[in-house]
Amino acid sequence: GAVVSQHPSRVICKSGTSVKIECRSLDFQATTMFWYRQFPKQSLMLMATSNEGSKATYEQGVEKDKFLINHASLTLSTLTVTSAHPEDSSFYICSAEGTHYGYTFGSGTRLTVV
Amino acid sequence: GENVEQHPSTLSVQEGDSAVIKCTYSDSASNYFPWYKQELGKRPQLIIDIRSNVGEKKDQRIAVTLNKTAKHFSLHITETQPEDSAVYFCAASPNAEKLVFGKGTKLTVNP
Repeated sequence: GAVVSQHPSRVICKSGTSVKIECRSLDFQATTMFWYRQFPKQSLMLMATSNEGSKATYEQGVEKDKFLINHASLTLSTLTVTSAHPEDSSFYICSAEGTHYGYTFGSGTRLTVV
Repeated sequence: GENVEQHPSTLSVQEGDSAVIKCTYSDSASNYFPWYKQELGKRPQLIIDIRSNVGEKKDQRIAVTLNKTAKHFSLHITETQPEDSAVYFCAASPNAEKLVFGKGTKLTVNP
């Protein structure tokens, strides 16, 4: 089956620094990758949709200059949280969509900004 | 855009009983409806899905029904077990685009 690898699983960073999260589709080509954020006891909220080689489409209310998304290849997308602040602490999770596999989620990244 | 409502937010059942979670959606163009199970701190796991050309789908103890006219779909879990305890999310996808999730249902199965 389809596997999506996400790293790191946990990261603690200081306020004002940047953090990069990677999402890789291991055995299929992901035409589209989605980035979600999930606060404790809440649902997954879509942040942005990215297609390989093009700019990401951000959901309303998500700052594109703060959450930088790169989808340079069909197997890799990255999310960089720039100038992180404590309110950015959350569970970030990617999902990759391939032609034959539908939506497959990564294992998530727990970000804590101190 | 699509809006998905999910009820109830919490559900507690006795082991062996059935559990039903209901979702409604707003966009008649949505044609894919997956259900995910998420354990604490882990990724959502697809447990069953249904497409708009099907009214019902069953996989062992889990079934999903879809009423396109009413724009609602439901998850049915029979003979519940303690390991079924988790948060369950429904989702809808308009035109094979992004998934829009419901707010989740915390299911507790009491032994």
